[in-house]
Amino acid sequence: MVMTQSPATLSVSPGERVTLSCRASESVDTNLAWYQQRPGQAPRLLISGASARAAGIPARFSGSGSGTEFTLTISSLQSEDFAIYYCQQYNTGPLEITFGQGTRLEIK
Amino acid sequence: DVQLVESGGGLVPPGGSLRLSCAASGFTFYQSWMTWVRQTPGKGLEWVATIKNDGTEKTYAESVKGRFIISRDNDKNLVHLQMYNLRGEDTAVYFCARDRTTSFDIIVVPGALDIWGQGTTVSVSS
Repeated sequence: MVMTQSPATLSVSPGERVTLSCRASESVDTNLAWYQQRPGQAPRLLISGASARAAGIPARFSGSGSGTEFTLTISSLQSEDFAIYYCQQYNTGPLEITFGQGTRLEIK
Repeated sequence: DVQLVESGGGLVPPGGSLRLSCAASGFTFYQSWMTWVRQTPGKGLEWVATIKNDGTEKTYAESVKGRFIISRDNDKNLVHLQMYNLRGEDTAVYFCARDRTTSFDIIVVPGALDIWGQGTTVSVSS
């Protein structure tokens, strides 16, 4: 199972709306999670089940998709949102879980 | 507070062994599946191993199968990763995470990783 994220890097300005993409090489139903990783920190769960925000995650983060195509949207970028975002499929868990290679959000 | 704290990382020569530990607190550990994930600059995040809440089922990535062993002590709220025959490509930051996978009889419902530790660094080099 291969997870492909695009783009690899995205340069955006605070306040902008941004959409990150994740594609699975085969269907994962909605067993898809998104994580945020800031420099020097552990990944943090943002979204599970493709669209359910984790506890404490702001409403500006939203996820959608099913099957092989997924998106993470941040409606209005805040300074703390500039980080790396990973998608992860767990449809084949616990036999195998797979992460995408990440999308880096940079300040324009 | 809900917390996972890894320990045991360090510098080890190729072929050597190391045992990582992860101490859990603030949640019902014995009900939780646990997973180890590692991160290298070149390969991003890579799943390593998962253990069922009661320790009866363990799964491993192909890259570590036969060399790593995941285990847990539910009395002490600990999960371990014993690593043998270490290679340069095992150099990484190792995270433990609570896995929201659940099981009912033979039915397994996979889940995401909702709590992560801060990581411990393993360096394999002569």
